[in-house]
Amino acid sequence: GAGVSQSPSNKVTEKGKDVELRCDPISGHTALYWYRQSLGQGLEFLIYFQGNSAPDKSGLPSDRFSAERTGGSVSTLTIQRTQQEDSAVYLCASSQQVQAYNEQFFGPGTRLTVL
Amino acid sequence: SQKIEQNSEALNIQEGKTATLTCNYTNYSPAYLQWYRQDPGRGPVFLLLIRENEKEKRKERLKVTFDTTLKQSLFHITASQPADSATYLCALDPTGGGNKLTFGTGTQLKVEL
Repeated sequence: GAGVSQSPSNKVTEKGKDVELRCDPISGHTALYWYRQSLGQGLEFLIYFQGNSAPDKSGLPSDRFSAERTGGSVSTLTIQRTQQEDSAVYLCASSQQVQAYNEQFFGPGTRLTVL
Repeated sequence: SQKIEQNSEALNIQEGKTATLTCNYTNYSPAYLQWYRQDPGRGPVFLLLIRENEKEKRKERLKVTFDTTLKQSLFHITASQPADSATYLCALDPTGGGNKLTFGTGTQLKVEL
């Protein structure tokens, strides 16, 4: 079946511009996660959504970052006024439900480059 | 502070040998630990999960151990093949809730002919 998809695969933007990154989770997965992977760094948790519950935003690095999930499916991560330090690969993952022991299925990521 | 450490240096081994990768953590008491594989330009792929009350877990040529006293997990690939070449990440959830995985930086494995 279809896996997690993300778009665009690559995004180059100028400092100060806003960007939107999209994630389509696996159909039926109620939990959706966003991570960031910088060069030489581990994956950094950003935010997760579970069903209709309020999202856990505790990993967002600043108020320039926001995310929403419409209809319990597609999610958009928005970065406003991008900075060069925002350059990274942004990975989305989904799982069937949020509880211990559930594996997360990752998309291929969006590589963001801020010039 | 809480840390997850994996060997940052790449591990090069010969085909057919056993690869052993290490994951050490400090200031966590995780209920479980997961291992993922990541190929260049792709997202991580789940391999194995081991619970705190399990000493060892196996899946085909893969074996994971979990020592909560040493705060260490070992990941073994037996009869390694060039196709096993990738970066391997360990991850744990400090909250125990399964929704905020914290990942190590990964160890790159290269299996040579």
